[in-house]
Amino acid sequence: GQNIDQPTEMTATEGAIVQINCTYQTSGFNGLFWYQQHAGEAPTFLSYNVLDGLEEKGRFSSFLSRSKGYSYLLLKELQMKDSASYLCAVELRSNYQLIWGAGTKLIIKP
Amino acid sequence: GAGVSQSPSNKVTEKGKDVELRCDPISGHTALYWYRQSLGQGLEFLIYFQGNSAPDKSGLPSDRFSAERTGGSVSTLTIQRTQQEDSAVYLCASSSQGQGAYEQYFGPGTRLTVT
Repeated sequence: GQNIDQPTEMTATEGAIVQINCTYQTSGFNGLFWYQQHAGEAPTFLSYNVLDGLEEKGRFSSFLSRSKGYSYLLLKELQMKDSASYLCAVELRSNYQLIWGAGTKLIIKP
Repeated sequence: GAGVSQSPSNKVTEKGKDVELRCDPISGHTALYWYRQSLGQGLEFLIYFQGNSAPDKSGLPSDRFSAERTGGSVSTLTIQRTQQEDSAVYLCASSSQGQGAYEQYFGPGTRLTVT
């Protein structure tokens, strides 16, 4: 089967850096997505990783290691508006479906 | 351009009643997905439409749930004989392709409360 694990909640300080981890167990996947979801709103796309390594996009970076079944989202220069849930999702190779983690609620404190 | 829209935004219904939830995807998007999200939980896949292919219904939790997509555009998710455990936010998403790293664009969701 497939399983995705993320920490339930994290707290960080405005201006700091935070790393949100995602571990997964799947039988085969194409790539891994990260989405951001503000409370009461729909998820919005952040990143997609296919190859191992780090992909940087402004203040946000995403890392993937296929051999370790591990990904992380790195947020730099944290702003209060970054307070949200961050969802990790794996795209299955068999049918292109996304299997979603439960999300990590990130709380930013001044 | 217009994003994904869903209606109603909120629906309160009595246990045992039927409900219909509507999704208007982004124009030209061939793939459409329905998800369910309970409070504090991740997204639970329900059903997936891709072009004219038969839908993938593997995520529907019971035969009380059904969905259709007319003319390759608007989709309706129907829940018959609603139960309290059906209470959740129902999210619709569309993408330009149904496979291969294509970003899913989500609608605002319908919050369903079964009393």
